[in-house]
Amino acid sequence: EPEVTQTPSHQVTQMGQEVILRCVPISNHLYFYWYRQILGQKVEFLVSFYNNEISEKSEIFDDQFSVERPDGSNFTLKIRSTKLEDSAMYFCASSGTHSNQPQHFGDGTRLSIL
Amino acid sequence: AQSVTQLGSHVSVSEGALVLLRCNYSSSVPPYLFWYVQYPNQGLQLLLKYTSAATLVKGINGFEAEFKKSETSFHLTKPSAHMRDAAEYFCAVSNTGTASKLTFGTGTRLQVTL
Repeated sequence: EPEVTQTPSHQVTQMGQEVILRCVPISNHLYFYWYRQILGQKVEFLVSFYNNEISEKSEIFDDQFSVERPDGSNFTLKIRSTKLEDSAMYFCASSGTHSNQPQHFGDGTRLSIL
Repeated sequence: AQSVTQLGSHVSVSEGALVLLRCNYSSSVPPYLFWYVQYPNQGLQLLLKYTSAATLVKGINGFEAEFKKSETSFHLTKPSAHMRDAAEYFCAVSNTGTASKLTFGTGTRLQVTL
């Protein structure tokens, strides 16, 4: 069964540094998402992306965050200047050709900011 | 605005016993509802979804959920728990818009004992 893959599985970064989290969505999917889960808390929506532009973003997704689909397969989340509170598990998800199709999640990238 | 409430952050059942995980939602439009399961160090796996068809939805691993509009509930059940069912379970809601974000509950950790 096709999967969403995320790399790296664990990223350790110094505060203030830029970090790029990478995702390869399921190949025929058109809708892409990033979520995060701070340890012990619920999964929170960050951003959705369709047709090469952001569809919706949450209050969390401020100017420090950006997303990009640089080629036909990758979907990236960049945090420009990381803060301690950015430490979390980041999940990428994708869904198919219709917006009401379920989202499929990757295994996540654990981001640790020191 | 949408929200999900999951009653009980921890539920413990004996192997072979009924599993009941509670979820209540709030939505200003007819919702789509989902249950996801998260095993340790893994991403979110879709168990089942409700998208305005049959109110009783069957999912994977023997789980099912019933949409009750009058009670704004979407409780997850399984007749007989197995040790492998031990995981974190998340209820989520979305609306029917393009690339709709998922709003998650806080999760319920299911423990299965011998």
